[in-house]
Amino acid sequence: EVQLVESGGGLVQPGRSLRLSCTASGFTFGDNAMSWFRQAPGKGLEWVGFIRSKAYGGTTEYAASVKGRFTISRDDSKSIAYLQMNSLKTEDTAVYYCTRDLGRIDYWGQGSLVTVSS
Amino acid sequence: DIQMTQSPSTLSASVGDRVTITCRASQSISSWLAWYQQKPGKAPKLLIYKASSLESGVPSRFSGSGSGTEFTLTISSLQPDDFATYYCQQYSNYLYTFGQGTKLEIK
Repeated sequence: EVQLVESGGGLVQPGRSLRLSCTASGFTFGDNAMSWFRQAPGKGLEWVGFIRSKAYGGTTEYAASVKGRFTISRDDSKSIAYLQMNSLKTEDTAVYYCTRDLGRIDYWGQGSLVTVSS
Repeated sequence: DIQMTQSPSTLSASVGDRVTITCRASQSISSWLAWYQQKPGKAPKLLIYKASSLESGVPSRFSGSGSGTEFTLTISSLQPDDFATYYCQQYSNYLYTFGQGTKLEIK
């Protein structure tokens, strides 16, 4: 059974940093791209960014709204994907989802709430 | 970025009804479109991919059609479990974008 479990969310002040982790199981993590999405309270879904598998260079892409502030990385030996969020803004408040990315998104984590507030 | 426009934003229907949700892309995305169902407090669930392919385990009352810029999601006979919010997503390029969502409510 595929499982994606996010951790690391919480309350953080504007301008500070936070790192989310996504622990994967039930599939060959290293063979897959991983994406992060977010959903602000009462709003729709927004793609944040993704990281390709090592076979495709392990490179990353980001939405314009987070580029330069957020960084996605992966540790294939531990089956973990990370989302490092720096210079957080109040508008980054959202539930953050880790996903397996086939273009279509077939597996989602349960979500981790990040609240940016003073 | 490719803009995705869903309609309607809200849809009221009854159990047993046939309903259709439309998604339009601002430029051609071929068939690179997925549909998701989301219930309150839960992660989205993949229903349809590549415009018309049914995800494993999804009931056959769900179907998708379209290509290019016009797409539809149809539920042939609404069941109580289907009342939720539905999103389309384009994955024609890596700048994934979603429609704004359609909330399907009980009439």
